[in-house]
Amino acid sequence: DTAVSQTPKYLVTQMGNDKSIKCEQNLGHDTMYWYKQDSKKFLKIMFSYNNKELIINETVPNRFSPKSPDKAHLNLHINSLELGDSAVYFCASSQDWGGGSIYTFGSGTRLTVV
Amino acid sequence: AQSVAQPEDQVNVAEGNPLTVKCTYSVSGNPYLFWYVQYPNRGLQFLLKYITGDNLVKGSYGFEAEFNKSQTSFHLKKPSALVSDSALYFCAVRDGSGATNKLIFGTGTLLAVQP
Repeated sequence: DTAVSQTPKYLVTQMGNDKSIKCEQNLGHDTMYWYKQDSKKFLKIMFSYNNKELIINETVPNRFSPKSPDKAHLNLHINSLELGDSAVYFCASSQDWGGGSIYTFGSGTRLTVV
Repeated sequence: AQSVAQPEDQVNVAEGNPLTVKCTYSVSGNPYLFWYVQYPNRGLQFLLKYITGDNLVKGSYGFEAEFNKSQTSFHLKKPSALVSDSALYFCAVRDGSGATNKLIFGTGTLLAVQP
């Protein structure tokens, strides 16, 4: 059983399109996250939800909109895709948002904008 | 603001030799420190963490890390490296004061273990 699953694994799309990445966790965790890993492997947090409520919203363009229909799902919708959005996007979850919480990561979605 | 630094982009070590991957941090409160490993085309996997207590923390796959408050460091170590340890290693820090709940990652260190 995959603990944190993301779909699709690969996404190639043209500039200007709108796309979504889905994430689901079956660990019963309360908190979920989206991280962006750029071409230099630098990881930056984008959003975090705790029990469907937004708790972290980093400085990302408002073309990026997360949605959490329930605490097991956190989807990422991106409007008007740009070349600079090309990256690997990781979903993660943790038991709660306490300081010592261990993150479980999905295997990533490699987004390529052409 | 909290931050974490990994001064080495790459560490090369021969199989069987000890390895060290360096990490230093900066937080305003007590640090919560983590090491994660990323294998090619995979997500990050948790290795170990320090919250409080013994400064030497043992984790998965024979790895350990030593918390040094005076040097604000949390270096990852292993007594005898394996070729299968070759991967990208990330140090991460969270501010234990609760000022922020963000887990901030370092820039990663690529560990290459030669046979």
